[in-house]
Amino acid sequence: ETGVTQSPTHLIKTRGQQVTLRCSSQSGHNTVSWYQQALGQGPQFIFQYYREEENGRGNFPPRFSGLQFPNYSSELNVNALELDDSALYLCASSARGRWSYNEQFFGPGTRLTVL
Amino acid sequence: AQTVTQSQPEMSVQEAETVTLSCTYDTSESDYYLFWYKQPPSRQMILVIRQEAYKQQNATENRFSVNFQKAAKSFSLKISDSQLGDAAMYFCAYRSKYSGGGADGLTFGKGTHLIIQP
Repeated sequence: ETGVTQSPTHLIKTRGQQVTLRCSSQSGHNTVSWYQQALGQGPQFIFQYYREEENGRGNFPPRFSGLQFPNYSSELNVNALELDDSALYLCASSARGRWSYNEQFFGPGTRLTVL
Repeated sequence: AQTVTQSQPEMSVQEAETVTLSCTYDTSESDYYLFWYKQPPSRQMILVIRQEAYKQQNATENRFSVNFQKAAKSFSLKISDSQLGDAAMYFCAYRSKYSGGGADGLTFGKGTHLIIQP
């Protein structure tokens, strides 16, 4: 069973640029959640995708957007990068069940640095 | 909105000793999940233990156990027989019981850095 993978591992961008981060979910999982973890902080929920549609969002502006593909992999896109966007971006996949517990399995993250 | 507070930025314990990490949370919901996650230097977040709010019995996983006090909104993690491999950041997290509408998003505390001294 393949776990959650993310690419790239590290990324350096300049303020104002756009970036795309990728996540491959664990086999059998249909839901992907994205989190931003600033240095020294806990992860913050960005949004979640279920069946290719956004299904809930945290307190992040619209320049944070995403996609989920038919194979349940996902992308996180950030436009007009700001210095404060520098963080570790974590992806987590899970198998959705309305009344059942669905553990989120995390990937190793992408470290984004904005200069 | 729910909040999770971890008041201990750093804790240190001797190998083989017992350590307790504290967590408090705030919510208006009556049913929910609470978690402890471990994040080693490799950055991968690993689930240590989870607790369902409607279950009064405290969860236990080998050397890890929790003390869940629902009325006090407290959820502490006890690590017995600490090992060098336990050194990591530990995050307390909350999740609503029901799926949909972003409810699956986890709310994390700021974390506690656990140091194991040989």
